[in-house]
Amino acid sequence: GAVVSQHPSRVICKSGTSVKIECRSLDFQATTMFWYRQFPKQSLMLMATSNEGSKATYEQGVEKDKFLINHASLTLSTLTVTSAHPEDSSFYICSALNARASYQETQYFGPGTRLLVL
Amino acid sequence: AQTVTQSQPEMSVQEAETVTLSCTYDTSESDYYLFWYKQPPSRQMILVIRQEAYKQQNATENRFSVNFQKAAKSFSLKISDSQLGDAAMYFCAYRRVRTGNQFYFGTGTSLTVIP
Repeated sequence: GAVVSQHPSRVICKSGTSVKIECRSLDFQATTMFWYRQFPKQSLMLMATSNEGSKATYEQGVEKDKFLINHASLTLSTLTVTSAHPEDSSFYICSALNARASYQETQYFGPGTRLLVL
Repeated sequence: AQTVTQSQPEMSVQEAETVTLSCTYDTSESDYYLFWYKQPPSRQMILVIRQEAYKQQNATENRFSVNFQKAAKSFSLKISDSQLGDAAMYFCAYRRVRTGNQFYFGTGTSLTVIP
């Protein structure tokens, strides 16, 4: 149980285009999902917290108009990188909290999406 | 924000030997959760072990165990009988209980297992 998927696993796009990344909890309901960014050989940096049915909470320094987050259902959250630029190239990881699990405090992670902006 | 410190950027261990990865954290809260996650080259984050702060007993999962010292704010991970598949980045994480669900991650320790 507690499987989280991400799609796509990798994407290459041109500068100025928008890219949408999906995060799904496959076998559980997730009222809360998180979006992280990870640079090579570095730790995970929390970008935003996504709650189902409400607006996402962004960490300081993260542009909410650039990184649009939508959590429309209990199993799906999306991150849209708008007008992507080369500096947005990174590894994006989502995670989800299993609201009904015995260990509700545990985050389960997706496999990540590698974004390369040319 | 809570601070999680992993002072060992890189560690190595001989196969079948034991290695300990250290983690310290800074908090003024009395109730929280601590985790160790593993990130192999595939970059999939995998939960290794979790510890509730209110529990004095150290968590154990097969070859993985922790030494939780609450007063010292220390949470080290011991890997026994190391296997080649244990080679990965290991991240220590702190989670608040009452306000918010955010995790705070350490900077990671890269573990190499030598055959």
